[in-house]
Amino acid sequence: DTGVSQDPRHKITKRGQNVTFRCDPISEHNRLYWYRQTLGQGPEFLTYFQNEAQLEKSRLLSDRFSAERPKGSFSTLEIQRTEQGDSAMYLCASSSPETRGEQYFGPGTRLTVT
Amino acid sequence: KQEVTQIPAALSVPEGENLVLNCSFTDSAIYNLQWFRQDPGKGLTSLLLIQSSQREQTSGRLNASLDKSSGRSTLYIAASQPGDSATYLCAVGVVKAAGNKLTFGGGTRVLVKP
Repeated sequence: DTGVSQDPRHKITKRGQNVTFRCDPISEHNRLYWYRQTLGQGPEFLTYFQNEAQLEKSRLLSDRFSAERPKGSFSTLEIQRTEQGDSAMYLCASSSPETRGEQYFGPGTRLTVT
Repeated sequence: KQEVTQIPAALSVPEGENLVLNCSFTDSAIYNLQWFRQDPGKGLTSLLLIQSSQREQTSGRLNASLDKSSGRSTLYIAASQPGDSATYLCAVGVVKAAGNKLTFGGGTRVLVKP
């Protein structure tokens, strides 16, 4: 069990550029979650998947954001036309019915939009 | 809408003192409650998970209680150490569809002074 991994760990981009983040969950976990955390705040839910199906999206996830989990394994989160307000830590978590709802988090991707 | 509050936002104690961290939530219809630790610039480490049917959970020096009717949870850390310095986050989970979306508090930043 290698834990949840995220790539890249840090991303600096200029406003208006597109960025994509990747999350690899714990291998036997069928549920995958994305959260966003701004400085000094708790994480906020963005979206989650069960297998390849995206089951819920937060209103925080504007049209510029899209998430996929094409084969029910890794997931990608893309932000188009980045804005300075997108600067945050993007956290991924995974779980399974066997974890009884306990979510395991990755190290996060820190995005800075200049 | 579920709201989670953690007070105080910051806490400083001398080494050896017991820590008491509070978490309150507005909607008692929760599935579970999870306590996390977060070191600066890092992801979240799960400390304890309490199911809605449970009153408390213990792990080593950590003990968490849950009172659903009053919408409160408390994390106790016995005999604090400088290594316990971190931000502690509580999150409540509500089963919706097939997932368990977490709603987080803002965290309590703890400093344990040697």
